[in-house]
Amino acid sequence: KNEVEQSPQNLTAQEGEFITINCSYSVGISALHWLQQHPGGGIVSLFMLSSGKKKHGRLIATINIQEKHSSLHITASHPRDSAVYICAVERGSQGNLIFGKGTKLSVKP
Amino acid sequence: DAGITQSPRHKVTETGTPVTLRCHQTENHRYMYWYRQDPGHGLRLIHYSYGVKDTDKGEVSDGYSVSRSKTEDFLLTLESATSSQTSVYFCAISGRDARSYNEQFFGPGTRLTVL
Repeated sequence: KNEVEQSPQNLTAQEGEFITINCSYSVGISALHWLQQHPGGGIVSLFMLSSGKKKHGRLIATINIQEKHSSLHITASHPRDSAVYICAVERGSQGNLIFGKGTKLSVKP
Repeated sequence: DAGITQSPRHKVTETGTPVTLRCHQTENHRYMYWYRQDPGHGLRLIHYSYGVKDTDKGEVSDGYSVSRSKTEDFLLTLESATSSQTSVYFCAISGRDARSYNEQFFGPGTRLTVL
């Protein structure tokens, strides 16, 4: 069983819809990261959180440490949000990450 | 832009040949990482460095070696490339700013094909 599971694997939405991507993990962590991989391949960090909730623009990330679960929400989705969204958990003090397999999001106009 | 580059960006090589990939940063981050990304798998850690001349193995280190002789450069070497090492390789850096110490910044990737 993978230590980090994401759902769904693929997601198609209409522009304007509210989107939720889920991440569950089975190990103890010091933080959880959400990353975005553009269609061209580049990877950028969206959030790093160890408790509660963070918001950046239309993106919101939440984490429940007790339930070992995190969600990434996108409000008012737009075709430019189309990308692969990757959840990763951080273990130890040297920042080593264990990655989920990603959720491929496609937002149709 | 976190000031991280990878070279080459694309490479095609033959089985059994040595290959070295370079990761270069201009931001004075302490940690540097090499990952590979393959279809059906998440990113997987190959090796990482926590300082000059300080490196350690990751999840999929067999067949790879690394070196870090100065802060800016982290080299990944495939001593004798195999077809199973065909992949996209990403370098990442972290560990400069106290506020986001473990946030990782990724390079653009190197697509390696071993024939």
